[in-house]
Amino acid sequence: DQQVKQNSPSLSVQEGRISILNCDYTNSMFDYFLWYKKYPAEGPTFLISISSIKDKNEDGRFTVFLNKSAKHLSLHIVPSQPGDSAVYFCAASGQMKTSYDKVIFGPGTSLSVIP
Amino acid sequence: EAQVTQNPRYLITVTGKKLTVTCSQNMNHEYMSWYRQDPGLGLRQIYYSMNVEVTDKGDVPEGYKVSRKEKRNFPLILESPSPNQTSLYFCASSLKRTGSYTFGSGTRLTVV
Repeated sequence: DQQVKQNSPSLSVQEGRISILNCDYTNSMFDYFLWYKKYPAEGPTFLISISSIKDKNEDGRFTVFLNKSAKHLSLHIVPSQPGDSAVYFCAASGQMKTSYDKVIFGPGTSLSVIP
Repeated sequence: EAQVTQNPRYLITVTGKKLTVTCSQNMNHEYMSWYRQDPGLGLRQIYYSMNVEVTDKGDVPEGYKVSRKEKRNFPLILESPSPNQTSLYFCASSLKRTGSYTFGSGTRLTVV
């Protein structure tokens, strides 16, 4: 049973438009959410995060929105650029079984930004 | 440069032949972890380590071993590889609980 879901395996967007990547989670114990970006033949790189005490976090062209009641978060990229074409992983952490917080990843969404 | 280095990048091996994938980080991170990436399944955690000599199972530990004898190194050991362990493997490290990991470049393993 996937605790972090990204229901769109792929997304295509025109350059300059907004890209919206969605993520849903099932575990209400998650309290920290992250987005990673992955290019082919490279490891994932951390992009942006948000704590459950916030509902929005912005970093340049990237904004993450969190809706705790809906257990939903989204990543907005504005404006989208061809270099943003990559696989985006949503991740969640905060399961307090031990002092270490496991990070649970979603299956990823492949974004293609068309010039 | 702060980085996680894993080797080899590519490996083809035969069923049952023991192998080790090395992982080293130069950031003095306490937390290290191994993930495997498979199509449609995302990144699944194999093992993690909170500090030297402290390791624990992740979500898919079967068929794998790890050790953490030094803070910087966290090798992944496959004692008897099988074809279902063909995958893309990533090592990652983190300074704190927030989970903003630094990942290595990956090891593409094929077991025939």
